[in-house]
Amino acid sequence: EVQLVESGGGLVHRGGSLRLSCAASGFTVTTYYMSWVRQAPGKGLEWVSIVYADGRIYYTDSVRGRFTTSKDTSKNTLYLQMNDLRAEDTALYYCARTVNNWNSNWFDSWGQGTLVTVSS
Amino acid sequence: SYALTQPPSVSVAPGQTANIMCGGDNIGKKGVSWYQQRPGRAPLLVIYGDGDRPSGIPERFSASNSGNTATLTINRVEAGDEADYYCQIWDRGSEKPVFGGGTQLTVL
Repeated sequence: EVQLVESGGGLVHRGGSLRLSCAASGFTVTTYYMSWVRQAPGKGLEWVSIVYADGRIYYTDSVRGRFTTSKDTSKNTLYLQMNDLRAEDTALYYCARTVNNWNSNWFDSWGQGTLVTVSS
Repeated sequence: SYALTQPPSVSVAPGQTANIMCGGDNIGKKGVSWYQQRPGRAPLLVIYGDGDRPSGIPERFSASNSGNTATLTINRVEAGDEADYYCQIWDRGSEKPVFGGGTQLTVL
């Protein structure tokens, strides 16, 4: 059974840092694309970052240069290092397994999310 | 950057058919995925790629995509279908996934 479990969220002051973790089981993170998606309170889904199986990483414009996505293959875990946090980064952060074909990609498994709150 | 437009809300009576639209430039040339998000829950994939359903998703859920509009159709709507629904595509030009703003489905 595929399972994703996020952790590491919490309350942080503006300008602070947090590292989110996403522990995967039932599959190997190196063989799939993996993504972070966030949802601000009462708002819609916003894609944050994706790491391809070949190691390429992409970010949404608003976090590029502040957030860093990485994988630890020995722990089968995805990470999101978040620096210089802003109030607008306050959200529930999900990790999601991502499947890709020639014309599309989709998020077929999601964790339960971890809440990040940035106080100003 | 590529944008997807969804109506904020759709209402339907139990047993009827709900159609949730997702607009985008030439979206008919892209694979569109759809997610259901019940209150307090993580999103759940209900349609992916060219209109396929993951295992466990009822046949009542289907999708179509042509021109500038993709549509999620839910037949014989049940109270348990009440949720937010999001469309999503892969913008190859920017190498980024894009979500629509979401549609709240209310079952009257």
